[in-house]
Amino acid sequence: QTVVTQEPSFSVSPGGTVTLTCGLSSGSVSTSYYPSWYQQTPGQAPRTVIYHTNTRSSGVPDRFSGSILGHKAALTITGAQTDDESDYYCVLYMGSGIVLFGGGTKLTVL
Amino acid sequence: QVQLQESGPGLVKPSQTLSLTCTVSGGSIRNADYYWSWIRQPPGKGLEWIGYIYYSGNIFHNPSLKSRITISVDTSKNHFSLKLNSVTAADTAVYYCARVLTLGDWYFDLWGRGTLVTVPS
Repeated sequence: QTVVTQEPSFSVSPGGTVTLTCGLSSGSVSTSYYPSWYQQTPGQAPRTVIYHTNTRSSGVPDRFSGSILGHKAALTITGAQTDDESDYYCVLYMGSGIVLFGGGTKLTVL
Repeated sequence: QVQLQESGPGLVKPSQTLSLTCTVSGGSIRNADYYWSWIRQPPGKGLEWIGYIYYSGNIFHNPSLKSRITISVDTSKNHFSLKLNSVTAADTAVYYCARVLTLGDWYFDLWGRGTLVTVPS
């Protein structure tokens, strides 16, 4: 059974740059998986940050960017702010109508 | 501006059926560009995709839940629904509905606020 992998936690200093990744337990992530990224703060619904690998959702600051790095999808925050402290989830479309969430990364900004 | 709102009982007894509805306002559920999805999140845990449906009734389910779930759409009421039978405490979660864009892509582009459903142990 394929699992979508994410770092459980990450820490970045304010103003710093952090890259979160989204991989597969077997195989490589490519654009054909349509990777997307969601930000969630405690008690709130998720918010779409990145879709189609690297397209920012409306209203998302340009310090957020998406890409494919090696064999994983990646979410990079350049110039992190305290407001970015959240859980981040990636989603991959596996084909045949099947979708998988990653386990999420808890990002701390301090 | 399209909005999604989940509704349903907040407490369901073990072995019974969880029933939720997501009402779409500000737009039509018959919009050909979108599917409509259910996602859940147990307390303190990650997100889990449940399934999604097109206005015509075409459905995709999470294989791990498929035997227990029914997803339906009512275009006359502009809403879609989830039924999960034989619930246990493990089904306690915040249940979200979301809109899915699949035209040359696949992602959740709009989310409801979520509703907590508790199944006591």
